[in-house]
Amino acid sequence: EAGVAQSPRYKIIEKRQSVAFWCNPISGHATLYWYQQILGQGPKLLIQFQNNGVVDDSQLPKDRFSAERLKGVDSTLKIQPAKLEDSAVYLCASSLDWADGNTIYFGEGSWLTVV
Amino acid sequence: GQQLNQSPQSMFIQEGEDVSMNCTSSSIFNTWLWYKQEPGEGPVLLIALYKAGELTSNGRLTAQFGITRKDSFLNISASIPSDVGIYFCAGNNNAGNMLTFGGGTRLMVKP
Repeated sequence: EAGVAQSPRYKIIEKRQSVAFWCNPISGHATLYWYQQILGQGPKLLIQFQNNGVVDDSQLPKDRFSAERLKGVDSTLKIQPAKLEDSAVYLCASSLDWADGNTIYFGEGSWLTVV
Repeated sequence: GQQLNQSPQSMFIQEGEDVSMNCTSSSIFNTWLWYKQEPGEGPVLLIALYKAGELTSNGRLTAQFGITRKDSFLNISASIPSDVGIYFCAGNNNAGNMLTFGGGTRLMVKP
């Protein structure tokens, strides 16, 4: 079974530029999550989708971050404009259903460095 | 918001030694989870605990769900070099089924 796929793996941008990350969850998984993991910290949830609807985005900095999952499968996370403090690993994860949120499978992450 | 405190922050041990790490919270959780993250990878689920007092093993790993539902510990017996990584606890209070992660315990094993 293929895992959660993310791209790009690594990205370096200058502050005030924009960046987009893509995620393809495990086939058949209805729930998709984006987490931000700053170096030395645990992952922090940014947004959770159930199919193509948003379940929770309370910790998403909406002035600069946006995410969508238009067809309920792939998802894109965008940052515009980026700040230095956005340097982190952006982890995409999926689970079979929101009620099965405990069994969350993570991708390898997209590493962002803002200079 | 909810916070999970993990200790110790890091450990450097000799191969073959047993390891113990714990996680505490000011809030109650209905589920406790332990993940391991290796360099360049995403977290991988090791053990899930669903009931207060529950003790669960997965090979050389044993974890317990504290009876107050505010803490959990993870033990690794007879450590080996491939145990190296960062171990995260995570709590789920079933409010939208979202996980809150601790800050991690970095484990280093000397062969």
